[in-house]
Amino acid sequence: SAVISQKPSRDICQRGTSLTIQCQVDSQVTMMFWYRQQPGQSLTLIATANQGSEATYESGFVIDKFPISRPNLTFSTLTVSNMSPEDSSIYLCSVEGTRYGYTFGSGTRLTVV
Amino acid sequence: QQQVKQSPQSLIVQKGGISIINCAYENTAFDYFPWYQQFPGKGPALLIAIRPDVSEKKEGRFTISFNKSAKQFSLHIMDSQPGDSATYFCAARYPYSGAGSYQLTFGKGTKLSVIP
Repeated sequence: SAVISQKPSRDICQRGTSLTIQCQVDSQVTMMFWYRQQPGQSLTLIATANQGSEATYESGFVIDKFPISRPNLTFSTLTVSNMSPEDSSIYLCSVEGTRYGYTFGSGTRLTVV
Repeated sequence: QQQVKQSPQSLIVQKGGISIINCAYENTAFDYFPWYQQFPGKGPALLIAIRPDVSEKKEGRFTISFNKSAKQFSLHIMDSQPGDSATYFCAARYPYSGAGSYQLTFGKGTKLSVIP
């Protein structure tokens, strides 16, 4: 299955600033997914990123807050903009795997102070 | 609206015992039901998965039981070990809609602790 590298693994940011999270996959994939996992909670899909087109956002998530880039078939970024403490979460990227499952990166643990 | 309900929220099992985690769903259009295991500081990892036309799937110590008529599925971990201590998520996949891709809906997770 694909191997996903996510950077940074963790960060502490000031409110009002922005953080860009990078996701690198070791093989070409059509779809990349961005999830948010709030402390002790389940995973919530933020958006689906298809190379060469605008990302598709889920209800409750907007492009101005979570802009996504997908410049090629192995890379994507998620930016968390104008952060507030409520944005403190683990952010995960994911791709569809070969066993009909989905592979996840190790996540970016974001704390906003 | 939560489409996949998972229970229990936490579970403590003695080493060697059987861990059972249950999930229920409403949407009969779901076509694939995976279980994920997540250790602290790591992303979820696919453990085992089943399609709705199969009633049971076993991989090593892990078994999924699927009851289509009841819209329920469960994960059984036989001979539970301390190394199995993790958070387990059930999920359900919605078929390709054309607008995006297959989408996974996750349960809220079960924190399993296996004590020696």
